[in-house]
Amino acid sequence: GAVVSQHPSWVICKSGTSVKIECRSLDFQATTMFWYRQFPKQSLMLMATSNEGSKATYEQGVEKDKFLINHASLTLSTLTVTSAHPEDSSFYICSARSGGEQETQYFGPGTRLLVL
Amino acid sequence: QKEVEQNSGPLSVPEGAIASLNCTYSDRVSQSFFWYRQYSGKSPELIMSIYSNGDKEDGRFTAQLNKASQYVSLLIRDSQPSDSATYLCAVNMYDMRFGAGTRLTVPP
Repeated sequence: GAVVSQHPSWVICKSGTSVKIECRSLDFQATTMFWYRQFPKQSLMLMATSNEGSKATYEQGVEKDKFLINHASLTLSTLTVTSAHPEDSSFYICSARSGGEQETQYFGPGTRLLVL
Repeated sequence: QKEVEQNSGPLSVPEGAIASLNCTYSDRVSQSFFWYRQYSGKSPELIMSIYSNGDKEDGRFTAQLNKASQYVSLLIRDSQPSDSATYLCAVNMYDMRFGAGTRLTVPP
């Protein structure tokens, strides 16, 4: 299957700092990428949908000014958590949608964020 | 009604038995269906996709799709402790919608 990478795989930061997470589709071009958040023992929660070259679409309740998404190319999307607080500590997972007749969504390995 | 529904479980099956995971969806025009496996602390990985009515087999996994009943299932034969994970059903409507997942436990 297609490969999606994320970097970093984990990050610890102080409260008030900003953290950038990169998501790359390594062997296919992804016009659409997705950002999820998952708290322990809970379901995946879609945060936003990112389309290359246009503004991201955020799910209800997700602050677009806090979670900045940039999809600069067909293989790269970034999520920046601005002014992170302890309640932002979570597992952030990106996914990328492959095109073609049989569109499929592939997940990155996730980034674990701990805000102290 | 949720768009994609799964029993949350946990579902426990003995080693060597068949695990049956079920999923129903609400949108009749959905055309593609997926099963993902998520181990604790890891991200989901795609294990099966199915697009046509009927069965699709891949190793110990069989996906079954019935569009008339809006139902998709995953059977795992000869279940192993390594199959213990949460299984997510996903349906591609205008975009991908995920169920909440069914937690499967296969005790050693």
